[in-house]
Amino acid sequence: GQQVMQIPQYQHVQEGEDFTTYCNSSTTLSNIQWYKQRPGGHPVFLIQLVKSGEVKKQKRLTFQFGEAKKNSSLHITATQTTDVGTYFCAEQGAQKLVFGQGTRLTINP
Amino acid sequence: GAVVSQHPSRVICKSGTSVKIECRSLDFQATTMFWYRQFPKKSLMLMATSNEGSKATYEQGVEKDKFLINHASLTLSTLTVTSAHPEDSSFYICSARVGAQGYTFGSGTRLTVV
Repeated sequence: GQQVMQIPQYQHVQEGEDFTTYCNSSTTLSNIQWYKQRPGGHPVFLIQLVKSGEVKKQKRLTFQFGEAKKNSSLHITATQTTDVGTYFCAEQGAQKLVFGQGTRLTINP
Repeated sequence: GAVVSQHPSRVICKSGTSVKIECRSLDFQATTMFWYRQFPKKSLMLMATSNEGSKATYEQGVEKDKFLINHASLTLSTLTVTSAHPEDSSFYICSARVGAQGYTFGSGTRLTVV
């Protein structure tokens, strides 16, 4: 079935440094969604990308969807301790949401 | 915004007993709800899709008789872990699709079977 591969699995940064997580698929994605899960919490919807080459920003977060719709990235500029958590990409398939493996972000204050 | 309320948040039960987890959509109707299982530091694995008024659709490898799903109304879906064993210990989360995009998740249930 459809698989979305996400890297890196873990990322540790100093507060203030940038952070990027990547999702890749061997097949064309109909869309890509991004979620954030804080430690001990539940996933929270961040954004959905649908169009080829789409770029969306939410404050310090920049989301991109590749031209071929086979990859996506989430970039955080100047991380803050509140950014700690696991970031998941997910594809909305015909009937269900399929998650990537997630990237766990930890930050050294 | 749309909220899915999930209860209980934590439960400890003895091996062999059954545990029921409830998810309610508070301000919208959810004809479909999704049940996930998450192991520590792992991704969310879809277990089943709960459909109001009809049978749930289970993912491959998920035992239907082990994880009973009921979706009796447009606002309530339940997952019952029957005859629980320690290997069933996990974080269970429900979700519902809201509008044309995005899903809202319940707060999750941490099940510990002793």
